[in-house]
Amino acid sequence: EVQLVQSGAEVKKPGESLKISCKGSGYSFTSHWIGWVRQMPGKGLEWMGIIYPGNSETRYSPSFQGQVTISVDKSISTAYLEWSSLKTSDSGMYFCARQGTKSLYGWLDPWGQGTLVSVSS
Amino acid sequence: EVVMTQSPATLSVSPGDRATLSCRASQSVSNNLAWYQQKPGQAPRLLMYGASNRASGIPARFSGSGSGTEFTLTITSLQSEDFAIYYCQQYNDWPPIFNFGPGTRVDVK
Repeated sequence: EVQLVQSGAEVKKPGESLKISCKGSGYSFTSHWIGWVRQMPGKGLEWMGIIYPGNSETRYSPSFQGQVTISVDKSISTAYLEWSSLKTSDSGMYFCARQGTKSLYGWLDPWGQGTLVSVSS
Repeated sequence: EVVMTQSPATLSVSPGDRATLSCRASQSVSNNLAWYQQKPGQAPRLLMYGASNRASGIPARFSGSGSGTEFTLTITSLQSEDFAIYYCQQYNDWPPIFNFGPGTRVDVK
């Protein structure tokens, strides 16, 4: 079974750093792009960016470029989303999801369970 | 950057009725469009890809159509488990910015 398992909920203060993870299993991790999606409380889905674990090629939405860093450690089949200095506006649920094809152009399936990030002073 | 819109924002439907959800792209995305269903407290789930292909395990009462800029998700004979929020997403843009629509909430009439 193809599965993505994300790290647990985080509570942080503004200015702190954070790295959340997404571990893939049940498929060839290096063959499929993995995307990250934000969902702020009570709001819709926002596409953040995508990474190809095979060579770490990364693409960001302009809205998130420079705000987060997407990375991967293919030796442990894990993708990451990282902030160097959190803001209260970074609070939300973050999902990782695998591209449904081996192409950059594809739908997202399956999805991780989500990681809730709460940033408050 | 392709902008996705969805209508209506909320659709009130009685169980057993048909629901028709619309998704529009600001420029052609060919048939590179997916639909997702999200229930409260859950991750989104893929329903349709390639505009009209049902994902694995999705019941036949769900169907998708359209190409270019206009797309439709139809749910015939709505079941209780279908009340949720539905999002469309295009995956055609270059450079790759695969935006979602704002969603349509389907609730009980």
